[in-house]
Amino acid sequence: DTAVSQTPKYLVTQMGNDKSIKCEQNLGHDTMYWYKQDSKKFLKIMFSYNNKELIINETVPNRFSPKSPDKAHLNLHINSLELGDSAVYFCASSLRGAGGREQYFGPGTRLTVT
Amino acid sequence: KQEVTQIPAALSVPEGENLVLNCSFTDSAIYNLQWFRQDPGKGLTSLLLIQSSQREQTSGRLNASLDKSSGRSTLYIAASQPGDSATYLCAVKDTGNQFYFGTGTSLTVIP
Repeated sequence: DTAVSQTPKYLVTQMGNDKSIKCEQNLGHDTMYWYKQDSKKFLKIMFSYNNKELIINETVPNRFSPKSPDKAHLNLHINSLELGDSAVYFCASSLRGAGGREQYFGPGTRLTVT
Repeated sequence: KQEVTQIPAALSVPEGENLVLNCSFTDSAIYNLQWFRQDPGKGLTSLLLIQSSQREQTSGRLNASLDKSSGRSTLYIAASQPGDSATYLCAVKDTGNQFYFGTGTSLTVIP
C-alpha cells in the first residue's frame, strides 16, 4: 500500500564506494524528485525528472546521477562517495506541474559515509 | 493530524512593493518549518528554514518568522521583483520524517 517507497532505509558505506538508492511509486505519477536533507534538516532539491525532462540542481556534483528504468522508478546512483554525502535522501513524486502540496514523499534513506 | 494553510491563495503586486505571505499550522509540536518556491514544472527550491527553537531567519530580501505557540509563520519579501513570481509554499516537518505542505500562495509581481 505504500505510495512512495525507498530502499534501503539505512545505508552505511565507506568513502570511495559507489552506491545506489532505489525509489518506487505506485501512484501513477509522471514526475519524480530526489531531495537531500542536510544535518540542519534543510531540504534541498537535487533532481526532478519526468519521461521528457531531467532538471538538475546545478549545485549537485556530477557524482550523483538519477536513473529511471520506467515511470514508476527513479533510482539515485552515487559514485566515489565522500564524507559530505552523509545525509538523509528523500524521493518524492507528483503529477507533472502539481503543487508542492501534492508531492508525496518517501520515508527517506539515511546515508552514512565513513 | 497537522493541517497547514496559506493566505492569500494568490497575490498580485507591482514591482518594488514589500509583501507578506502567511502560513498557519494546527499542531505546534513541529521540528522545523521551511519555505519553498516552486516555478512552473519544476521541483521545490528551498528558501529559508526555521528550527522550532528559532524566531526568524533572513536571506537577502527574504525574512521568515515563526511563532510556534500561535501556529503561524510569515514570509516577508522586500522590494519585490518580477523574478519573484512563483508559488510559495511553507512546509512543516514533524519529529519524524513527515512533511506537511501548505496550500501555497501564487505570487505575481507586475513589472
